[in-house]
Amino acid sequence: ELKVEQNPLFLSMQEGKNYTIYCNYSTTSDRLYWYRQDPGKSLESLFVLLSNGAVKQEGRLMASLDTKARLSTLHITAAVHDLSATYFCAVGLAGTASKLTFGTGTRLQVTL
Amino acid sequence: SAVISQKPSRDICQRGTSLTIQCQVDSQVTMMFWYRQQPGQSLTLIATANQGSEATYESGFVIDKFPISRPNLTFSTLTVSNMSPEDSSIYLCSVHGSRTDTQYFGPGTRLTVL
Repeated sequence: ELKVEQNPLFLSMQEGKNYTIYCNYSTTSDRLYWYRQDPGKSLESLFVLLSNGAVKQEGRLMASLDTKARLSTLHITAAVHDLSATYFCAVGLAGTASKLTFGTGTRLQVTL
Repeated sequence: SAVISQKPSRDICQRGTSLTIQCQVDSQVTMMFWYRQQPGQSLTLIATANQGSEATYESGFVIDKFPISRPNLTFSTLTVSNMSPEDSSIYLCSVHGSRTDTQYFGPGTRLTVL
């Protein structure tokens, strides 16, 4: 059974600071996704990571994947208040890539 | 990208009743997925809906409780049957975009059971 662990569960950070969210998973995977969810909203796709060593960046967010360590990170650079949301990683089992197992989510609060 | 719509967006229902949630996609897709997000929790896959065959349910979910229809390649319904307050959740449908390798999610249906 695929298990996905995310930490921290809650993160309060000041504007301008850097921080990293970690996503560990238990078995071989084809792909890893990062999503953002605002309160009362659906999921917004941020990144799709498909291979070992993949790194993607969009604005202040950068995601990376280490398939050997079964670890993905979401790095936040110089946080701003607009980044406040819940972030989920989700992993697709090898061969069943469209069926996703989600991490617990990290609720990020960026304070002024 | 795939554009997904769901109806209703929210509903408040009485215990013991059933609600059918509709999901419409703007392009043809082989598989559609139904997820549940309980309050303050992460998402859990309920089932995979394939056109022309029975849905495949994940552990802990059964057809009698969550019957699914998939009449064509752009539409699916999920029924939440004989509801109890524990069924209060957001239900989301999802599809895979083959060109972008992205998994897209609908806006969700927020269900409250009294």
